[in-house]
Amino acid sequence: QQPVQSPQAVILREGEDAVINCSSSKALYSVHWYRQKHGEAPVFLMILLKGGEQKGHEKISASFNEKKQQSSLYLTASQLSYSGTYFCGTAGGTNAGKSTFGDGTTLTVKP
Amino acid sequence: DTAVSQTPKYLVTQMGNDKSIKCEQNLGHDTMYWYKQDSKKFLKIMFSYNNKELIINETVPNRFSPKSPDKAHLNLHINSLELGDSAVYFCASSQLLGTAFFGQGTRLTVV
Repeated sequence: QQPVQSPQAVILREGEDAVINCSSSKALYSVHWYRQKHGEAPVFLMILLKGGEQKGHEKISASFNEKKQQSSLYLTASQLSYSGTYFCGTAGGTNAGKSTFGDGTTLTVKP
Repeated sequence: DTAVSQTPKYLVTQMGNDKSIKCEQNLGHDTMYWYKQDSKKFLKIMFSYNNKELIINETVPNRFSPKSPDKAHLNLHINSLELGDSAVYFCASSQLLGTAFFGQGTRLTVV
């Protein structure tokens, strides 16, 4: 069963912050985040393993709470280049073959 | 060197035709996938292979048949193409924890 992302769309001004959430109805082993720009393939941002860790990539960070089966992606001081669709992917175990994606959150950063 | 490459990038064909999309990865990953991304940008898994063995086969018409001659290749053959098959098809590969690396996508248009 695929994870659920919220919100579906976000519009920001440059410099503003945003949070994208990803939740699953099943136990998670790992959560991974991707960004897809229009007309391009999704690009891997980061992976989080169970243990509640946080990670960062540029001014983008994420947390993973395996008890709540949730992950959140934090975009701080957003830049125009952050625009795109963000997907979370989840794996229920070490078997990578069971990875599924959320429906995506479209982020638009305006000047 | 391209990590995950798929060909062709664009494919325009008539209804009823049979077509194939090829995918190759040079990352040494054990798992490969086919995803379909429709006009609403939803990224749906179609198939997953682990070491040449089919491990995920989502509800996909049996007109779609994946073939994995070795763990570095996963091709997708589509019979009797229909208008609704028009979409962008992404090949991806991953290792263990689910982090997926995507090919550039094949935009299939059925007319």
